[in-house]
Amino acid sequence: QKEVEQNSGPLSVPEGAIASLNCTYSDRGSQSFFWYRQYSGKSPELIMSIYSNGDKEDGRFTAQLNKASQYVSLLIRDSQPSDSATYLCAVSAGGGADGLTFGKGTHLIIQP
Amino acid sequence: DADVTQTPRNRITKTGKRIMLECSQTKGHDRMYWYRQDPGLGLRLIYYSFDVKDINKGEISDGYSVSRQAQAKFSLSLESAIPNQTALYFCATSAGPHSFGYTFGSGTRLTVV
Repeated sequence: QKEVEQNSGPLSVPEGAIASLNCTYSDRGSQSFFWYRQYSGKSPELIMSIYSNGDKEDGRFTAQLNKASQYVSLLIRDSQPSDSATYLCAVSAGGGADGLTFGKGTHLIIQP
Repeated sequence: DADVTQTPRNRITKTGKRIMLECSQTKGHDRMYWYRQDPGLGLRLIYYSFDVKDINKGEISDGYSVSRQAQAKFSLSLESAIPNQTALYFCATSAGPHSFGYTFGSGTRLTVV
């Protein structure tokens, strides 16, 4: 069974610091990786996608992928209180199959 | 208007009742999905559809059925609701296979009493 593992948290980070969120996955055939942000009671919102090993930066967000280690991470620089949310890691099915498998999410708290 | 619209936003129903949750989208995507989210369990796939004639079961389809009335509409039915179907339900769409992310609707909070 395909699994996506995240530390549930809560992860508490001071305002202005770097928040580091981690995710591991079991399906070696996975090719696409996504980070979603979800505020309490709201729908998930796509914030980053990454497909190749290495880093991908978008504003204050950086996604990192290491397929050999089956590891994906999200860095949030200059953390703001508005970044407080649950962050979901999602991984595509391998072997050309459709669908995303989601982790259970990490609850991030930015302390003012 | 939202790209992916779910109705109702909130619903309380009694055990044994049939209920339908509706999803419509204006994104022109062929692929549509129904997920439920429970505290501590994350998002779990119920059903998905690649087009009007293609419906597939997800990991937790028992007790649910779906209908793809058109490219833009995908409905989820609970034939006989039970309390453990109390959850937050999300519809999502995708433009293509695994290289695309999903766009989620705003969700339906369902309570079965």
